[in-house]
Amino acid sequence: AQKITQTQPGMFVQEKEAVTLDCTYDTSDPSYGLFWYKQPSSGEMIFLIYQGSYDQQNATEGRYSLNFQKARKSANLVISASQLGDSAMYFCAMRGVTGGGNKLTFGTGTQLKVEL
Amino acid sequence: GAVVSQHPSWVICKSGTSVKIECRSLDFQATTMFWYRQFPKKSLMLMATSNEGSKATYEQGVEKDKFLINHASLTLSTLTVTSAHPEDSSFYICSARPFGGRAFSYEQYFGPGTRLTVT
Repeated sequence: AQKITQTQPGMFVQEKEAVTLDCTYDTSDPSYGLFWYKQPSSGEMIFLIYQGSYDQQNATEGRYSLNFQKARKSANLVISASQLGDSAMYFCAMRGVTGGGNKLTFGTGTQLKVEL
Repeated sequence: GAVVSQHPSWVICKSGTSVKIECRSLDFQATTMFWYRQFPKKSLMLMATSNEGSKATYEQGVEKDKFLINHASLTLSTLTVTSAHPEDSSFYICSARPFGGRAFSYEQYFGPGTRLTVT
C-alpha cells in the first residue's frame, strides 16, 4: 500500500520569501514517482514537478524544486521567491508500479497563503 | 499542452434524479481515465479507473451501481451519478493518462472539475 503524509495543514509565507512544504511517503514499490500539484480556489489541479525514485538529481522547474531524500522517504517542495499567486492548496502524490502503475495516491494537502 | 475538459462545470439537481458528467481529452488520446471525488478542503479520492471499451475498476467502497462510468472512446469518459442524494454533493474531477505514457512516471492531466449540488 502507498501512503502520503503532509503534516502541515496550513502555511503562511511573506511575498518574495522561500517556503518548504513537507511530504513524506511510504511504499513497498521498488520504483515510484513523486508529484506535486497546485490547486487554486478555482479547483483545477496544476502539475508542478515530478521526481522519479531513481533520479540522481533533485527535480527543479523554475521557482519549484523538490528536495528528495530517499532514505528518509521525504519529497519536500520548495517554492522560491513566493508570489501572491502561489496562494493555493498543494498536494503531494505518488504513483508506483503496483497495479499497473495507474493509481496516483494523494496526501491531505497544505494550504499556502502568501502575504504582502 | 494536453487539455482535459469537463462538462458541466457545475450542476444543481434534485434528489432522486441522475446527472451525467463528461470528461474529454481534447488534444490527445487517453489510454486510461480516472474519476476522483473531493470534499471541501480535503484530498482527492480515487473513485474508479477506466479504459476505453472495458468496464471500469472501482475503488473499495465506491458503489458501482450508483456511479456509472462509461469510457466510450479514447477521448471521452462519462460519470453518471444515479438517483443522486444530498450526500453525493461534491467536487468531481476527471483525469486522463496519455496513450503511450511511461510506466509510472507519466504526467496525468486533470480536468477543471464539476461541482455537483444535490438539493
